[in-house]
Amino acid sequence: GQQLNQSPQSMFIQEGEDVSMNCTSSSIFNTWLWYKQEPGEGPVLLIALYKAGELTSNGRLTAQFGITRKDSFLNISASIPSDVGIYFCAGQLRLRQGGKLIFGQGTELSVKP
Amino acid sequence: EAQVTQNPRYLITVTGKKLTVTCSQNMNHEYMSWYRQDPGLGLRQIYYSMNVEVTDKGDVPEGYKVSRKEKRNFPLILESPSPNQTSLYFCASSPLAGGGELFFGEGSRLTVL
Repeated sequence: GQQLNQSPQSMFIQEGEDVSMNCTSSSIFNTWLWYKQEPGEGPVLLIALYKAGELTSNGRLTAQFGITRKDSFLNISASIPSDVGIYFCAGQLRLRQGGKLIFGQGTELSVKP
Repeated sequence: EAQVTQNPRYLITVTGKKLTVTCSQNMNHEYMSWYRQDPGLGLRQIYYSMNVEVTDKGDVPEGYKVSRKEKRNFPLILESPSPNQTSLYFCASSPLAGGGELFFGEGSRLTVL
C-alpha cells in the first residue's frame, strides 16, 4: 500500500537546539498534517497544511507543504524538554480514494536538558 | 470536554476469545476510524466510517469487524483474536468528511497470548 517515508526515525538533541524532520512520498497528497504523540496518549494535531507551498507556524513549530505536493517538513525551534515525543506526518489522499490518511513511521524526539 | 473515549485501555486475552473495544465521541463527528500502532510501522488504518451505517476497509482490516449504528459509537470487534493482533489501538474522529484533522482517543493496549 501507499507509504510515507519519514526521517529521521529518532533524534537525540540538547535543549535549545533546532529540530528538522521531513516526510516524502511517491504520490501527490492534497493535505499534509503533523501530529505529536506523548507517552501513554493518543496523537494530537499540531499543524494542518492544505496548499502546495504553504508555510504555517504554531508557536515554535513551523511546517511546510512541499511545492511538489510529495513532501512536507516540520521544524521546531529552540527545543525544550516538553517537546519530547513521537512526531508523525500524515498525508491525505484525494477524497475519491476514500479519504484515508496515510501516516509516516514517526520521528522519536528526545531532548536532553 | 470534547473527547474520544476508548475502553478498555489495557487488555490481556487469549487466542480465540472474542473481544470488543468500544469507542465513543461527543463532538458529533460523522467520520470515525480505527488505527493500530506497531513499532517501526507508524499508524495503520483498520476500518473507517464516513457516516452512520457506512463503513469501509482501511489498509489492515483482516481479523477485525466494525459497526456504526449510531453517530457517536464505533466499536472494534475481534471475533477470534490472534497473537499478531497484539498492538496499540487508537480510535479517532474528524469533523471533516474526508477524515483529515483527526481527534484521537488515548489508546487501547491489547495483548493476545
